[in-house]
Amino acid sequence: NAGVTQTPKFQVLKTGQSMTLQCAQDMNHEYMSWYRQDPGMGLRLIHYSVGAGITDQGEVPNGYNVSRSTTEDFPLRLLSAAPSQTSVYFCASSYSWGGSYEQYFGPGTRLTVT
Amino acid sequence: KNEVEQSPQNLTAQEGEFITINCSYSVGISALHWLQQHPGGGIVSLFMLSSGKKKHGRLIATINIQEKHSSLHITASHPRDSAVYICAVRAGDDKIIFGKGTRLHILP
Repeated sequence: NAGVTQTPKFQVLKTGQSMTLQCAQDMNHEYMSWYRQDPGMGLRLIHYSVGAGITDQGEVPNGYNVSRSTTEDFPLRLLSAAPSQTSVYFCASSYSWGGSYEQYFGPGTRLTVT
Repeated sequence: KNEVEQSPQNLTAQEGEFITINCSYSVGISALHWLQQHPGGGIVSLFMLSSGKKKHGRLIATINIQEKHSSLHITASHPRDSAVYICAVRAGDDKIIFGKGTRLHILP
């Protein structure tokens, strides 16, 4: 299994540009989520999905959109990039939302918005 | 006050030392996770526990539900243990709350 994969690893955007961060998992996990990690702060949940066709907002959803058309893929879209979105983004998946299941993390995408 | 607090924030030790990282939380939880983030950035899950103690190699994790406290211990520490260790709790509403992490540096 490849586990959780993310592309790209690095990206530089200008303010106002849009882009999509890709996330895929091959473990047939129901639950997928996007986090951002900023210096001095813990991981913060952006959006999550408990299954194909179902998404919901996390702690910091503004400026981001998600969709979940398949079990495998959970792309994160930045609609109009802002410098405040400079961060490291992690996608994660687990077997289920409820209960105590281990989360598997992707390698991260380092995004810089100038 | 953060719902998940880790201490210390930074820790530098000599190779071979016994390491303890602490995590305290203020909410009811169903599980607690210890994660490791290497300098390259990848995050891996070390332990998931809801009671008692778990051991994997030189790593030991304990949790005291009554005291809302968990510890991660590393025995015979090695430079390759240098990483950020993150405590995360799954709260009663299934929300996952992360600590800010403890940066560990083991000197050879």
